Amino acid sequence: AQSVSQHNHHVILSEAASLELGCNYSYGGTVNLFWYVQYPGQHLQLLLKYFSGDPLVKGIKGFEAEFIKSKFSFNLRKPSVQWSDTAEYFCASHTGANNLFFGTGTRLTVIP
Amino acid sequence: NAGVTQTPKFQVLKTGQSMTLQCAQDMNHEYMSWYRQDPGMGLRLIHYSVGAGITDQGEVPNGYNVSRSTTEDFPLRLLSAAPSQTSVYFCASAPRGKMNTEAFFGQGTRLTVV
Repeated sequence: AQSVSQHNHHVILSEAASLELGCNYSYGGTVNLFWYVQYPGQHLQLLLKYFSGDPLVKGIKGFEAEFIKSKFSFNLRKPSVQWSDTAEYFCASHTGANNLFFGTGTRLTVIP
Repeated sequence: NAGVTQTPKFQVLKTGQSMTLQCAQDMNHEYMSWYRQDPGMGLRLIHYSVGAGITDQGEVPNGYNVSRSTTEDFPLRLLSAAPSQTSVYFCASAPRGKMNTEAFFGQGTRLTVV
C-alpha cells in the first residue's frame, strides 16, 4: 500500500536558519512526489513536484527538494527561512491512480 | 478565474443534522475529490470522482455521500452529522489522468458538530 510519512510534527526555527523537513514514501514503483504548503487560514498551495529527471527540484519561494530513490525520501529544504514561511507543510505522493496520498504534515514556526 | 470554490467557509451543526458542503470548479476539470484534514492525521481522502456520473470511495467514506451530476459541481453530504465529523474539509480538482500535474484546492470548510 502507498503511504507517506513525515516524522517532524512541529519545527521551530529562528529567521535565517536552514530548514530540512523529512518525507518518506512507501511505494516501490514509479511515484510522483509533491510538497504542498498551507499558510494560516488558507488552502493548500503547491510548492514543488517531482516526476522524473533531475532529482533535485526547485520550487517557489526558494524551496527545493531532493528525491533519493534508495532512501525512499523526498526531503524539503530551504537555506534561510523567513518569518513568512510559518505554515504547515505536507508531503504527498501519487502513483497510477488519480489520488494524492498525504503525510500528516509538519508545522513550521519561524521566530523573527 | 475563480478556481475551486467551497461554501460555506464555516458551519456548526448539531448531532444528527444533515447538510451539504458545496464545491464548484470552473476549470473544466474531470477529477474532483473531497479530503478531511484533522490534526496529526494530514489529509485523508473521503470520496472522489473521475467525471460526471462517476464517484468512488476514498480512505474514509463512512458517513458521507457524494454525487456528480455536472462536471463543475461535487457536493458532499452529511446525512446525520456526528461529532467525529468535526474537521476541515477540502475539495480538490485536477484534469483527468493528470493528478500528477497539480491539484487545485478550495479554501476549505471548517465544520463543527456539537
